[in-house]
Amino acid sequence: EAEVAQSPRYKITEKSQAVAFWCDPISGHATLYWYRQILGQGPELLVQFQDESVVDDSQLPKDRFSAERLKGVDSTLKIQPAELGDSAMYLCASTGRGLAGLSNEQFFGPGTRLTVL
Amino acid sequence: RKEVEQDPGPFNVPEGATVAFNCTYSNSASQSFFWYRQDCRKEPKLLMSVYSSGNEDGRFTAQLNRASQYISLLIRDSKLSDSATYLCVVNPGGYNKLIFGAGTRLAVHP
Repeated sequence: EAEVAQSPRYKITEKSQAVAFWCDPISGHATLYWYRQILGQGPELLVQFQDESVVDDSQLPKDRFSAERLKGVDSTLKIQPAELGDSAMYLCASTGRGLAGLSNEQFFGPGTRLTVL
Repeated sequence: RKEVEQDPGPFNVPEGATVAFNCTYSNSASQSFFWYRQDCRKEPKLLMSVYSSGNEDGRFTAQLNRASQYISLLIRDSKLSDSATYLCVVNPGGYNKLIFGAGTRLAVHP
């Protein structure tokens, strides 16, 4: 069964350091999402790509976070510099092309658990 | 006010019990509705979509009330394996965009 791949699974870093997370969506999925999930809360959308274009990054803290999907396939999310409040699970999800205005199922990767010390 | 609100629980129920979760959403233009399940320290997975006419999948029944902007999930004959967090999810109208509630935690005990 096709899966969304993420790496690393766990990352411990010190504040002010740079971190990067990688995601490979299910083959052929045009839409890719990065979410942040703080313990006890639901996933919060950081950025949404349609192919290689950003379609929603309204909740991305752009002073320290950046995301790219240069060839419209895999994606990287970067944080520089990391802050204590960035400790969370970072989830990547993807979905295939569907009817505009409707939501197709989002398939999630296993996530990267970030701890900032 | 949060866009999607749920009772965080936890709901502690014995095996075989029936349990119901509710969820409210703020955007009346919302188009699609879902319940996702998330096991501890795992990723969310789609449990079921929620249709205006209501839908049932085995022991799970989902209902939507657009007038009250309210979604429900009913689990009958609870199993130990149903223990998880149930996330109420809404498409507010953007293409393939989803808004997640904070989740309701269910613990089923023997």
